[in-house]
Amino acid sequence: DTAVSQTPKYLVTQMGNDKSIKCEQNLGHDTMYWYKQDSKKFLKIMFSYNNKELIINETVPNRFSPKSPDKAHLNLHINSLELGDSAVYFCASSRQGLAETQYFGPGTRLLVL
Amino acid sequence: AQRVTQPEKLLSVFKGAPVELKCNYSYSGSPELFWYVQYSRQRLQLLLRHISRESIKGFTADLNKGETSFHLKKPFAQEEDSAMYYCALSGSSNTGKLIFGQGTTLQVKP
Repeated sequence: DTAVSQTPKYLVTQMGNDKSIKCEQNLGHDTMYWYKQDSKKFLKIMFSYNNKELIINETVPNRFSPKSPDKAHLNLHINSLELGDSAVYFCASSRQGLAETQYFGPGTRLLVL
Repeated sequence: AQRVTQPEKLLSVFKGAPVELKCNYSYSGSPELFWYVQYSRQRLQLLLRHISRESIKGFTADLNKGETSFHLKKPFAQEEDSAMYYCALSGSSNTGKLIFGQGTTLQVKP
Protein backbone atom coordinates (compact mmCIF):
# COMPACT_ATOMS: atom_id res chain seq x y z
CA ASP A 1 0.00 0.00 0.00
CA THR A 2 1.33 3.38 -0.97
CA ALA A 3 1.34 5.65 2.06
CA VAL A 4 1.81 9.03 0.37
CA SER A 5 1.14 9.28 -3.33
CA GLN A 6 1.52 12.14 -5.78
CA THR A 7 0.30 12.66 -9.32
CA PRO A 8 1.65 13.25 -11.81
CA LYS A 9 5.17 11.93 -11.45
CA TYR A 10 6.45 14.10 -14.29
CA LEU A 11 5.06 17.35 -15.62
CA VAL A 12 6.45 19.22 -18.61
CA THR A 13 4.72 22.45 -19.52
CA GLN A 14 5.16 25.86 -21.09
CA MET A 15 5.75 29.11 -19.31
CA GLY A 16 2.55 30.90 -18.40
CA ASN A 17 0.46 27.75 -18.03
CA ASP A 18 -1.46 26.74 -14.92
CA LYS A 19 -0.92 23.28 -13.47
CA SER A 20 -1.87 21.22 -10.43
CA ILE A 21 -0.13 18.49 -8.49
CA LYS A 22 -2.17 16.16 -6.32
CA CYS A 23 -1.18 14.48 -3.09
CA GLU A 24 -2.99 11.86 -1.06
CA GLN A 25 -2.03 10.04 2.12
CA ASN A 26 -3.68 6.97 3.61
CA LEU A 27 -1.87 7.05 6.93
CA GLY A 28 -4.57 8.89 8.82
CA HIS A 29 -2.22 11.80 9.49
CA ASP A 30 -3.48 15.23 10.43
CA THR A 31 -0.66 17.25 8.91
CA MET A 32 0.49 17.50 5.32
CA TYR A 33 3.31 19.46 3.70
CA TRP A 34 4.68 20.60 0.37
CA TYR A 35 8.43 20.88 -0.14
CA LYS A 36 10.39 22.13 -3.13
CA GLN A 37 13.72 20.55 -4.10
CA ASP A 38 15.74 22.75 -6.42
CA SER A 39 18.37 21.78 -8.97
CA LYS A 40 21.03 21.71 -6.24
CA LYS A 41 18.93 19.19 -4.30
CA PHE A 42 18.14 21.74 -1.60
CA LEU A 43 14.82 20.95 0.13
CA LYS A 44 12.69 23.80 1.41
CA ILE A 45 9.26 23.76 2.98
CA MET A 46 6.55 25.67 1.16
CA PHE A 47 3.30 24.96 2.97
CA SER A 48 1.83 22.92 5.76
CA TYR A 49 -1.79 22.10 6.54
CA ASN A 50 -3.18 20.65 9.72
CA ASN A 51 -6.71 19.28 9.52
CA LYS A 52 -7.36 21.30 6.36
CA GLU A 53 -6.09 24.50 7.95
CA LEU A 54 -3.02 26.34 6.63
CA ILE A 55 -0.37 26.57 9.35
CA ILE A 56 2.83 27.26 7.42
CA ASN A 57 3.23 29.51 4.41
CA GLU A 58 6.88 30.14 3.71
CA THR A 59 7.01 33.30 1.61
CA VAL A 60 5.94 31.43 -1.46
CA PRO A 61 4.70 33.53 -4.43
CA ASN A 62 0.94 33.99 -4.64
CA ARG A 63 0.99 31.99 -7.85
CA PHE A 64 1.23 28.90 -5.64
CA SER A 65 -2.01 27.98 -3.95
CA PRO A 66 -2.40 24.87 -1.85
CA LYS A 67 -5.83 23.36 -1.38
CA SER A 68 -6.86 20.75 1.15
CA PRO A 69 -10.34 19.35 0.43
CA ASP A 70 -9.97 16.94 3.34
CA LYS A 71 -7.20 15.95 5.68
CA ALA A 72 -6.06 13.10 3.43
CA HIS A 73 -5.45 15.37 0.44
CA LEU A 74 -3.27 18.39 -0.18
CA ASN A 75 -3.09 19.65 -3.73
CA LEU A 76 -0.80 22.31 -5.11
CA HIS A 77 -1.99 24.61 -7.86
CA ILE A 78 0.50 26.81 -9.67
CA ASN A 79 -0.60 29.73 -11.86
CA SER A 80 1.40 31.42 -14.58
CA LEU A 81 4.30 29.02 -14.41
CA GLU A 82 7.81 30.46 -14.66
CA LEU A 83 11.13 28.88 -15.60
CA GLY A 84 12.28 29.13 -11.99
CA ASP A 85 9.43 26.89 -10.88
CA SER A 86 11.21 23.93 -12.43
CA ALA A 87 12.01 21.63 -9.52
CA VAL A 88 10.94 18.45 -7.80
CA TYR A 89 7.96 18.95 -5.51
CA PHE A 90 7.51 16.60 -2.58
CA CYS A 91 4.42 16.07 -0.55
CA ALA A 92 4.73 14.69 2.98
CA SER A 93 2.49 13.90 5.92
CA SER A 94 2.90 13.32 9.63
CA ARG A 95 0.97 13.07 12.84
CA GLN A 96 0.51 16.36 14.56
CA GLY A 97 3.15 17.29 17.07
CA LEU A 98 6.75 17.98 17.68
CA ALA A 99 9.38 15.67 16.24
CA GLU A 100 6.95 13.43 14.41
CA THR A 101 8.32 11.45 11.49
CA GLN A 102 7.37 12.83 8.11
CA TYR A 103 6.47 10.41 5.35
CA PHE A 104 7.27 11.59 1.87
CA GLY A 105 5.69 11.04 -1.49
CA PRO A 106 7.75 10.01 -4.52
CA GLY A 107 8.01 13.56 -5.82
CA THR A 108 6.72 15.33 -8.92
CA ARG A 109 9.37 16.52 -11.33
CA LEU A 110 8.17 19.77 -12.93
CA LEU A 111 9.92 21.18 -15.97
CA VAL A 112 8.83 24.55 -17.28
CA LEU A 113 9.97 25.33 -20.84
CA ALA B 1 17.72 32.22 12.60
CA GLN B 2 17.20 28.52 12.21
CA ARG B 3 19.73 26.92 9.94
CA VAL B 4 21.18 23.51 9.19
CA THR B 5 24.55 23.20 7.53
CA GLN B 6 26.00 20.13 5.91
CA PRO B 7 29.45 21.23 4.79
CA GLU B 8 30.16 18.32 2.46
CA LYS B 9 28.27 18.03 -0.79
CA LEU B 10 29.89 14.69 -1.59
CA LEU B 11 31.59 12.15 0.61
CA SER B 12 33.30 9.25 -1.09
CA VAL B 13 34.67 6.30 0.90
CA PHE B 14 35.62 2.71 0.28
CA LYS B 15 33.54 -0.18 1.52
CA GLY B 16 34.45 -1.04 5.11
CA ALA B 17 35.77 2.43 5.91
CA PRO B 18 34.24 4.54 8.69
CA VAL B 19 31.82 7.25 7.66
CA GLU B 20 30.97 10.54 9.29
CA LEU B 21 28.50 12.92 7.66
CA LYS B 22 28.67 16.29 9.31
CA CYS B 23 25.72 18.38 10.38
CA ASN B 24 25.75 21.64 12.31
CA TYR B 25 22.71 23.61 13.29
CA SER B 26 21.78 27.05 14.46
CA TYR B 27 18.77 27.32 16.76
CA SER B 28 18.15 29.27 19.93
CA GLY B 29 15.91 26.74 21.65
CA SER B 30 16.03 22.97 22.06
CA PRO B 31 15.82 21.49 18.60
CA GLU B 32 14.65 18.11 17.48
CA LEU B 33 17.09 16.70 14.94
CA PHE B 34 16.70 14.10 12.26
CA TRP B 35 18.57 12.36 9.51
CA TYR B 36 16.58 11.56 6.36
CA VAL B 37 17.94 9.45 3.51
CA GLN B 38 17.07 9.20 -0.15
CA TYR B 39 18.32 6.09 -1.94
CA SER B 40 18.48 6.09 -5.71
CA ARG B 41 14.99 6.10 -7.24
CA GLN B 42 13.35 5.91 -3.83
CA ARG B 43 11.51 8.45 -1.77
CA LEU B 44 12.96 10.40 1.09
CA GLN B 45 12.61 8.47 4.35
CA LEU B 46 13.54 8.89 7.96
CA LEU B 47 16.80 7.25 8.97
CA LEU B 48 16.92 8.25 12.61
CA ARG B 49 16.05 11.00 15.06
CA HIS B 50 17.92 12.05 18.11
CA ILE B 51 15.09 11.61 20.60
CA SER B 52 14.95 7.90 19.82
CA ARG B 53 18.64 7.34 20.50
CA GLU B 54 18.56 4.34 18.23
CA SER B 55 20.89 2.81 15.69
CA ILE B 56 19.43 2.20 12.25
CA LYS B 57 21.33 0.19 9.64
CA GLY B 58 24.43 0.63 11.77
CA PHE B 59 24.17 4.43 11.76
CA THR B 60 24.19 6.51 14.93
CA ALA B 61 24.04 10.23 15.58
CA ASP B 62 24.68 12.07 18.81
CA LEU B 63 23.39 15.52 19.55
CA ASN B 64 26.18 17.73 20.83
CA LYS B 65 24.59 20.92 22.11
CA GLY B 66 27.93 22.49 22.93
CA GLU B 67 29.13 22.17 19.36
CA THR B 68 25.59 22.43 17.93
CA SER B 69 26.24 19.32 15.87
CA PHE B 70 24.43 16.13 14.98
CA HIS B 71 26.93 14.18 12.94
CA LEU B 72 25.91 10.85 11.42
CA LYS B 73 28.37 7.99 11.87
CA LYS B 74 28.83 4.43 10.79
CA PRO B 75 31.92 2.38 11.63
CA PHE B 76 31.96 0.28 8.44
CA ALA B 77 30.34 1.63 5.30
CA GLN B 78 28.50 -0.71 2.92
CA GLU B 79 27.85 -0.17 -0.78
CA GLU B 80 24.10 -0.10 -0.11
CA ASP B 81 24.64 2.97 2.08
CA SER B 82 25.26 5.04 -1.05
CA ALA B 83 22.53 7.67 -1.03
CA MET B 84 21.72 11.31 -0.38
CA TYR B 85 21.59 12.15 3.32
CA TYR B 86 19.76 15.15 4.73
CA CYS B 87 20.09 16.50 8.23
CA ALA B 88 16.94 18.29 9.40
CA LEU B 89 15.83 20.37 12.35
CA SER B 90 12.41 20.87 13.85
CA GLY B 91 11.91 23.75 16.24
CA SER B 92 9.59 24.02 19.18
CA SER B 93 6.67 25.58 17.33
CA ASN B 94 4.82 22.28 17.06
CA THR B 95 4.03 22.93 13.42
CA GLY B 96 6.19 20.04 12.30
CA LYS B 97 8.17 22.36 10.05
CA LEU B 98 11.47 20.77 9.04
CA ILE B 99 14.48 22.81 8.05
CA PHE B 100 16.81 20.77 5.91
CA GLY B 101 20.51 21.01 5.31
CA GLN B 102 21.83 21.07 1.77
CA GLY B 103 22.30 17.30 1.73
CA THR B 104 25.41 15.14 1.42
CA THR B 105 25.79 12.47 -1.22
CA LEU B 106 27.52 9.44 0.22
CA GLN B 107 29.26 7.28 -2.32
CA VAL B 108 30.62 3.96 -1.07
CA LYS B 109 33.03 2.41 -3.52
CA PRO B 110 33.67 -1.34 -3.70
